[in-house]
Amino acid sequence: GDSVTQMEGPVTLSEEAFLTINCTYTATGYPSLFWYVQYPGEGLQLLLKATKADDKGSNKGFEATYRKETTSFHLEKGSVQVSDSAVYFCALSLTGNQFYFGTGTSLTVIP
Amino acid sequence: GAVVSQHPSWVICKSGTSVKIECRSLDFQATTMFWYRQFPKQSLMLMATSNEGSKATYEQGVEKDKFLINHASLTLSTLTVTSAHPEDSSFYICSARIPSGSGELFFGEGSRLTVL
Repeated sequence: GDSVTQMEGPVTLSEEAFLTINCTYTATGYPSLFWYVQYPGEGLQLLLKATKADDKGSNKGFEATYRKETTSFHLEKGSVQVSDSAVYFCALSLTGNQFYFGTGTSLTVIP
Repeated sequence: GAVVSQHPSWVICKSGTSVKIECRSLDFQATTMFWYRQFPKQSLMLMATSNEGSKATYEQGVEKDKFLINHASLTLSTLTVTSAHPEDSSFYICSARIPSGSGELFFGEGSRLTVL
């Protein structure tokens, strides 16, 4: 079935370090891919998305490229900040109604 | 952008009581809303799909009589946890899509339920 596998955390980085959170997917069709971020005590917010192969989603310095050949959608940021500390969820959607979320990766950035 | 709002953000109740959580789409009409449950340090588990004007569709393993969902209007869905018990304590999140939008889900702020 359709699913998302993402890198387990927690991840702890120093400020200005490079971030990669791996995400791979399994899907029967051609899904749209998303990264959502959840700050402590809050709901999820869309961080970025890509709707077709080779698309690159980007927002707030974060990027992810839809790689069909490797079925991946890894999240990257060149220089993290303390304010980026949150839980990051990779997700896919085929129909727009059914979303499949990864287990989430907790990121802590220390000054 | 589209906003989905939940109320209350926090609720503490005694075991055996019922609790209602509201989910509103503030600037768009949502024929479908989704209710998720999130356990500490875990991912979101889809509980049910709320359909305006009709019965909700529940995921396997979710008790319909325990988690009552009502979607009475195009901007409001409610989740009622009936006869709550401590094991129902969790973070409940609703979401919705803009019908003609790009497919992304917009999430409410979440409601943390603690049952004593």
